[in-house]
Amino acid sequence: NAGVTQTPKFQVLKTGQSMTLQCAQDMNHNSMYWYRQDPGMGLRLIYYSASEGTTDKGEVPNGYNVSRLNKREFSLRLESAAPSQTSVYFCASSVDNYEQFFGPGTRLTVL
Amino acid sequence: GNSVTQMEGPVTLSEEAFLTINCTYTATGYPSLFWYVQYPGEGLQLLLKATKADDKGSNKGFEATYRKETTSFHLEKGSVQVSDSAVYFCARSPRAGNMLTFGGGTRLMVKP
Repeated sequence: NAGVTQTPKFQVLKTGQSMTLQCAQDMNHNSMYWYRQDPGMGLRLIYYSASEGTTDKGEVPNGYNVSRLNKREFSLRLESAAPSQTSVYFCASSVDNYEQFFGPGTRLTVL
Repeated sequence: GNSVTQMEGPVTLSEEAFLTINCTYTATGYPSLFWYVQYPGEGLQLLLKATKADDKGSNKGFEATYRKETTSFHLEKGSVQVSDSAVYFCARSPRAGNMLTFGGGTRLMVKP
């Protein structure tokens, strides 16, 4: 099992460009999450999906959209990137109330 | 709201020293408590957890006890190794859900 995979690993964007971060899990988990990690702030939840076909806002959703394409895949889209979105992005998945498993992260820089 | 506060780092120790990383949480409801570890260049991994008061989570020589009276979940290890160098995150989730709230993280550096 690959666990949780994320692409790309690194990305540099110019202000105003758009991009989609991809996440997939092969553990048959119902729930999936997107976090951003900034220095000294831990991880903050952007969006989550409790099951296929549902998505909900987390703590910091502004400037992002998500799609739960199927049970395996959960993508995060930046429509018009801003320097404030420079961060490391982590995808995670879980079986309902149990442990969350994290992907390796995507390091995004917006110039 | 729900929050988690942990000591700022970095914490620098010599190999075989005793480690404590402090963590306190807001006591809304009856949360579950977690410690996650992040090694350089990797995602977070669950280190240990406790789901009710007085539970002790343990793994790889690390321990933490769920203290309801002090709303604390301090991470301890009796003898650290260089390989323990990482960033450690304390987190909480509601009893009836899986929404994690993280502390800011504490970087541990262990010198040979």
